[in-house]
Amino acid sequence: DQQVKQNSPSLSVQEGRISILNCDYTNSMFDYFLWYKKYPAEGPTFLISISSIKDKNEDGRFTVFLNKSAKHLSLHIVPSQPGDSAVYFCAASAVRGGTSYGKLTFGQGTILTVHP
Amino acid sequence: EPEVTQTPSHQVTQMGQEVILRCVPISNHLYFYWYRQILGQKVEFLVSFYNNEISEKSEIFDDQFSVERPDGSNFTLKIRSTKLEDSAMYFCASMWQTPYEQYFGPGTRLTVT
Repeated sequence: DQQVKQNSPSLSVQEGRISILNCDYTNSMFDYFLWYKKYPAEGPTFLISISSIKDKNEDGRFTVFLNKSAKHLSLHIVPSQPGDSAVYFCAASAVRGGTSYGKLTFGQGTILTVHP
Repeated sequence: EPEVTQTPSHQVTQMGQEVILRCVPISNHLYFYWYRQILGQKVEFLVSFYNNEISEKSEIFDDQFSVERPDGSNFTLKIRSTKLEDSAMYFCASMWQTPYEQYFGPGTRLTVT
């Protein structure tokens, strides 16, 4: 099941710089997208989401961009901090159509390391 | 801040045994989920539960699996006869309404020997 793909297994950035994490999807029914952060031995923690009616959503240091025509979304973290080091998952859901009860389809995750 | 809790944090069981994984979702949430993550793989959807019944389930969720919300606060996942390949982290999640974010518990590590 490759409906949601994160092609970069890892990303390393310097503290204070921008981190850009990417995600691609193939299922055109997906219309709600989320980013989660996960530390080892913990559950995923919600970061930010975006509906397909928007192309950008911002929350503090985190901004998610959605390009529907390219079926691509990205998470920007500015400025990056060492505490941001974690695994980042994108997830997608098909909300419209009345048959979805919120099932999330996850990407493989990207390990972000922010160096001091 | 409200959170999803799960017990136990780690469960070791022998193949063929029954296990029950427990979750307490956030109290005003209406949608409940189980996901699992086999080591090194993606987080996979197992089942969603709404209005006291299963609303959606994956191919993984076969007759060996069942879910219950017995008392309005707990949400359980039962595996009747565990297999080696059931070894994974199992995450419970809950959501107030769709489409909103799902909140995940810390997970139960299930090891089947």
